[in-house]
Amino acid sequence: DAGVTQSPTHLIKTRGQQVTLRCSPKSGHDTVSWYQQALGQGPQFIFQYYEEEERQRGNFPDRFSGHQFPNYSSELNVNALLLGDSALYLCASSLPDIPYEQYFGPGTRLTVT
Amino acid sequence: KNEVEQSPQNLTAQEGEFITINCSYSVGISALHWLQQHPGGGIVSLFMLSSGKKKHGRLIATINIQEKHSSLHITASHPRDSAVYICAVLLDYGGSQGNLIFGKGTKLSVKP
Repeated sequence: DAGVTQSPTHLIKTRGQQVTLRCSPKSGHDTVSWYQQALGQGPQFIFQYYEEEERQRGNFPDRFSGHQFPNYSSELNVNALLLGDSALYLCASSLPDIPYEQYFGPGTRLTVT
Repeated sequence: KNEVEQSPQNLTAQEGEFITINCSYSVGISALHWLQQHPGGGIVSLFMLSSGKKKHGRLIATINIQEKHSSLHITASHPRDSAVYICAVLLDYGGSQGNLIFGKGTKLSVKP
């Protein structure tokens, strides 16, 4: 049973570019949440997807957008990258009726230069 | 003031010592996570609890809902326990949809 997987593992981008990060949830899970973890900080909630729709959103600008596919996998897109977007991006999956039981992926380390 | 506060921020211990990490929160919650994050970033969920106490091996987690406080204890600590330990709470909005609020983490280093 595969857990939550994320790709790529590491990514280096230049200011102003766009990036897409990918997440496959744990088998049987249909809800995907995305978090941003800046260096030395705890993760911050970006948004959550369920049934291919954004169900809840944290305090992040519209440059951050996402998508969920029919197979429940998800993408996080960030446009017009800023240096401050450099962080570890974590994906977590869960079942909608068990929101407290979130399983985390290994993360994608994004560096913006 | 952050909604989830952890203490201490950094902790150095000798192998074998008993370790306590504390988490206080200021909001109503439906559940609390203790998470472990090793260098490289991957997060592992250690415990999910909404009341009382849970034990897994050398790890014990307790929560006091009335006092809005939780503790993570490690008995007979070992260098492989060295990691960042993060407390995260699931807000209780009477229908919360799974938004976790995280503490900043406690960096634990266990010396041999």
